[in-house]
Amino acid sequence: GAGVSQSPRYKVAKRGQDVALRCDPISGHVSLFWYQQALGQGPEFLTYFQNEAQLDKSGLPSDRFFAERPEGSVSTLKIQRTQQEDSAVYLCASSLVGQGVKVTEAFFGQGTRLTVV
Amino acid sequence: QKEVEQNSGPLSVPEGAIASLNCTYSDRGSQSFFWYRQYSGKSPELIMSIYSNGDKEDGRFTAQLNKASQYVSLLIRDSQPSDSATYLCAVRGLGGGSNYKLTFGKGTLLTVNP
Repeated sequence: GAGVSQSPRYKVAKRGQDVALRCDPISGHVSLFWYQQALGQGPEFLTYFQNEAQLDKSGLPSDRFFAERPEGSVSTLKIQRTQQEDSAVYLCASSLVGQGVKVTEAFFGQGTRLTVV
Repeated sequence: QKEVEQNSGPLSVPEGAIASLNCTYSDRGSQSFFWYRQYSGKSPELIMSIYSNGDKEDGRFTAQLNKASQYVSLLIRDSQPSDSATYLCAVRGLGGGSNYKLTFGKGTLLTVNP
């Protein structure tokens, strides 16, 4: 596709429910990032993949958050036992090259707005 | 001290004026700097990147970087109502760690009045 695609665009989950958010990066992009954006804040880094390898998960807020990119393309961010504080927009971004070379600019998807009630 | 600081605004300018957006960052070793525009309810859109000290111009936008002062700014000339958005400053490589992770400021809300 022409850009980064995320689904669903909106998700309402009951507290305690598990959710899965999908990201389709730009074709050929090696690097994939997940960010969390709370209302009125800038995006906060969650995790980084280079191809299928998860090289950095230092931003994941708890062990309820899990991300994967098994074939080096589509990625899924899973949140188990959702809590109200998980309510935010989850943004996926991709860029052409990865660590060790000049990293190119990151392009963001439209995001998934998660509301936990 | 927050790593990337921006005045949250709102910054209000009349149509046709120059809008000046400012950002400071905490790590002198940071190398890459970006400005993203985010319309309400939309995703961040990259509008400028700058890597070297000085000015970089692209159409109505000029990014300015001063690494010694740890300061990066965005000037928007001939501001239009369609420029009304939140402008996010992002720094890559903050803290001397990763060269891929973007650290964002909270953003500055710009309103251009017709």
